[in-house]
Amino acid sequence: NAGVTQTPKFQVLKTGQSMTLQCAQDMNHNSMYWYRQDPGMGLRLIYYSASEGTTDKGEVPNGYNVSRLNKREFSLRLESAAPSQTSVYFCASSEIGQGAETQYFGPGTRLLVL
Amino acid sequence: DAKTTQPPSMDCAEGRAANLPCNHSTISGNEYVYWYRQIHSQGPQYIIHGLKNNETNEMASLIITEDRKSSTLILPHATLRDTAVYYCIVRVDGGATNKLIFGTGTLLAVQP
Repeated sequence: NAGVTQTPKFQVLKTGQSMTLQCAQDMNHNSMYWYRQDPGMGLRLIYYSASEGTTDKGEVPNGYNVSRLNKREFSLRLESAAPSQTSVYFCASSEIGQGAETQYFGPGTRLLVL
Repeated sequence: DAKTTQPPSMDCAEGRAANLPCNHSTISGNEYVYWYRQIHSQGPQYIIHGLKNNETNEMASLIITEDRKSSTLILPHATLRDTAVYYCIVRVDGGATNKLIFGTGTLLAVQP
């Protein structure tokens, strides 16, 4: 049981390049999330998916697109990377039980845009 | 979702109890208090949550005041591995969105 996995762990891009960050969970969770974390800051929600086939914008969606490929996988795409997108990206999935929702996070993808 | 206020940093001696405060004076009746932590360079980790009653699990205890305007996370015997940023979050469960709103948290430094 790997939990939430993310690939790649590190990536360097030039301005204008595109890339897709991959996320997968093996806990059979319905909801999945993408956050970004800038140095010294808390996490900010980019997009989330409450269930397979649905996606919604979070706090900072501009410059990103997402795909909920199936129940396990939720990808984040940068079509034209900008230096302002240099950040650490975390994927999460969640379960609901005993009156609360618990989110489980992946190890993160560190992205540098030059 | 209600806003939370936490001290930016705290120190604790190894083996002693760490008490991390959180103010959430605008919390409403159906909002839960959650605690997560983030060890350096890792993804956040769920610790505990509560609504009205005090809660305890294998990681920590959560004390919520009677008026629910503040809470304290207690790590009973802090170790060096507990050095992390601790986030206090309040949110409504079952609401239209499931997002967690992270502030800047409290950096707990456990000293040997």
